[in-house]
Amino acid sequence: QVQLQESGPGLVKPSQTLSLTCTVSGGSISSGSYYWSWIRQPAGKGLEWIGRIYTSGSTNYNPSLKSRVTISVDTSKNQFSLKLSSVTAADTAVYYCARAPLAGWFDPWGQGTLVTVSS
Amino acid sequence: DIQMTQSPSSLSASVGDRVTITCQASQDISNYLNWYQQKPGKAPKLLIYDASNLETGVPSRFSGSGSGTDFTFTISSLQPEDIATYYCQQYDNLPMYTFGQGTKLEIK
Repeated sequence: QVQLQESGPGLVKPSQTLSLTCTVSGGSISSGSYYWSWIRQPAGKGLEWIGRIYTSGSTNYNPSLKSRVTISVDTSKNQFSLKLSSVTAADTAVYYCARAPLAGWFDPWGQGTLVTVSS
Repeated sequence: DIQMTQSPSSLSASVGDRVTITCQASQDISNYLNWYQQKPGKAPKLLIYDASNLETGVPSRFSGSGSGTDFTFTISSLQPEDIATYYCQQYDNLPMYTFGQGTKLEIK
């Protein structure tokens, strides 16, 4: 079955750019009709959808983050990536990648990766 | 934006109890409502999609109902392994997805 795994630096300095990659295994990122999303969760808090990409490269972002977010896909590597610019401590969170069908539920999810913004 | 309000925010129940969590949308979202279970240190897991459909492999003690603005998630007989935080999530106004604030379920 399809599995997702996040990777990237666990520590980012304020004002810099957070970069994460999600590697998809057990299936092709290009097969089927799926969106690939990033979702984050600050410690002890709820879930916030960041944005999504279709394998065509079409993207949608949460309006609250849109000015700072870029999501891209590399079908040759079966990966998609997140870049979040100008980070502050408020961006400290566990970041998850997840798959969603054209309908709107997330399954499966990656295990999550903690990113801390600190100098 | 559609706001999702879950209640209660926390809940303590005994093994074998029937547990109910509600989720209210700020506007009509038809049945575009999903439920997830998140155990500590783990990613959320899809339990119910489209308000009432049980995801494959999920025990039948979990169920969901509702449409429009009011939704209910039920565990018919609480088991120790059900201790987790539960989230609702709407997708009526794609491409935006929003989650409820979560309900933390503990054993009494």
